[in-house]
Amino acid sequence: GAVVSQHPSRVICKSGTSVKIECRSLDFQATTMFWYRQFPKQSLMLMATSNEGSKATYEQGVEKDKFLINHASLTLSTLTVTSAHPEDSSFYICSADGTGVTYNEQFFGPGTRLTVL
Amino acid sequence: AQSVTQPDIHITVSEGASLELRCNYSYGATPYLFWYVQSPGQGLQLLLKYFSGDTLVQGIKGFEAEFKRSQSSFNLRKPSVHWSDAAEYFCAVQPGGYQKVTFGTGTKLQVIP
Repeated sequence: GAVVSQHPSRVICKSGTSVKIECRSLDFQATTMFWYRQFPKQSLMLMATSNEGSKATYEQGVEKDKFLINHASLTLSTLTVTSAHPEDSSFYICSADGTGVTYNEQFFGPGTRLTVL
Repeated sequence: AQSVTQPDIHITVSEGASLELRCNYSYGATPYLFWYVQSPGQGLQLLLKYFSGDTLVQGIKGFEAEFKRSQSSFNLRKPSVHWSDAAEYFCAVQPGGYQKVTFGTGTKLQVIP
């Protein structure tokens, strides 16, 4: 149980286009989901915290107008990278708070590799 | 704000040898503590976690970690490393439930035959 999926696993797009990444909790409901970015050979940096039915809370330095987060249901959160540029190329990982499944544990998705040409 | 330090960026061990990965945290109280493993191009897998109680925590794949309050440390250990353990290991801290997790910079483990 407690599986988190991400789609797509890999995406290549042209500069200036928008890309949407989905994060789903498959067998549990997650009121809180988190989005992280990981640059090559670096750690995960939290971008934003997403709560179902409310606006996401962004970390300092993360452009909310560029990284649009929607958490419309208890099993789905989406991250849209708008007008993507090469510097947005990264590995994006989501996690879902599974406190209803296992106390205080976040379950991570497999990640999405974004490459902007 | 909490912070996590993993002083070893890269560690190489021989297969069958013991392993210890270091993690130190900075936080006013005792946070929740985690160790995750990440294989190349993959997401994170939780190895073990500490919330309270017994300071020696057992995890999956034969890993264990010991919480030492006096040293603000949460080191990960394994008595005998297997080639499949080669991966990146992240220590993480969280002040409490539903709060953000802060990750260390990671330690890359290489296992040689």
